[in-house]
Amino acid sequence: DQQVKQNSPSLSVQEGRISILNCDYTNSMFDYFLWYKKYPAEGPTFLISISSIKDKNEDGRFTVFLNKSAKHLSLHIVPSQPGDSAVYFCAASALMNYGGSQGNLIFGKGTKLSVKP
Amino acid sequence: DSGVTQTPKHLITATGQRVTLRCSPRSGDLSVYWYQQSLDQGLQFLIQYYNGEERAKGNILERFSAQQFPDLHSELNLSSLELGDSALYFCASSVARGETQYFGPGTRLLVL
Repeated sequence: DQQVKQNSPSLSVQEGRISILNCDYTNSMFDYFLWYKKYPAEGPTFLISISSIKDKNEDGRFTVFLNKSAKHLSLHIVPSQPGDSAVYFCAASALMNYGGSQGNLIFGKGTKLSVKP
Repeated sequence: DSGVTQTPKHLITATGQRVTLRCSPRSGDLSVYWYQQSLDQGLQFLIQYYNGEERAKGNILERFSAQQFPDLHSELNLSSLELGDSALYFCASSVARGETQYFGPGTRLLVL
């Protein structure tokens, strides 16, 4: 059973527009959420994170929104650039809530973003 | 560059063999995590070490083992390899436990 779900395998947007990537989770113990970007043949690159005590975190063109009641988070990229084309992974962990297993990340299966010039 | 290094980058071997993957964490990071990414799967957590001690286990097969050495580098040992073990293996590190993890470039293992 997938605890972190990214229901859109792919997303295509025009350069300069907003990209919105979505992620849902089922485990209410998750208290820390991250987004990673991955190019082929490279490791995931950390983009932005959010703690469950917040509902929004911004870093430049990237903003993550967390809706705890809906168990939903989203990543907004504004404006989108062709270099943003990659696979984006949502990940979650239970930093404070699990005894021996805190810290390991549970990943969604990713959304492939294509930004067209 | 995340600061996490992994060797080798590519590994081709035969079924039944044993291989060792190596990871050096970012300077100052005490935790090392291993993940597997197969073709049809997302990133799956295998095992975590913190300052030399095993802290958490995920979906790691009994044929696989890992350790973290006093200099904090880690090795993932895969034995009695099967075709289905072909995957990308990533190492990640974090300062302590659980906060932002930084990933290495991965080792691509192909079992023939």
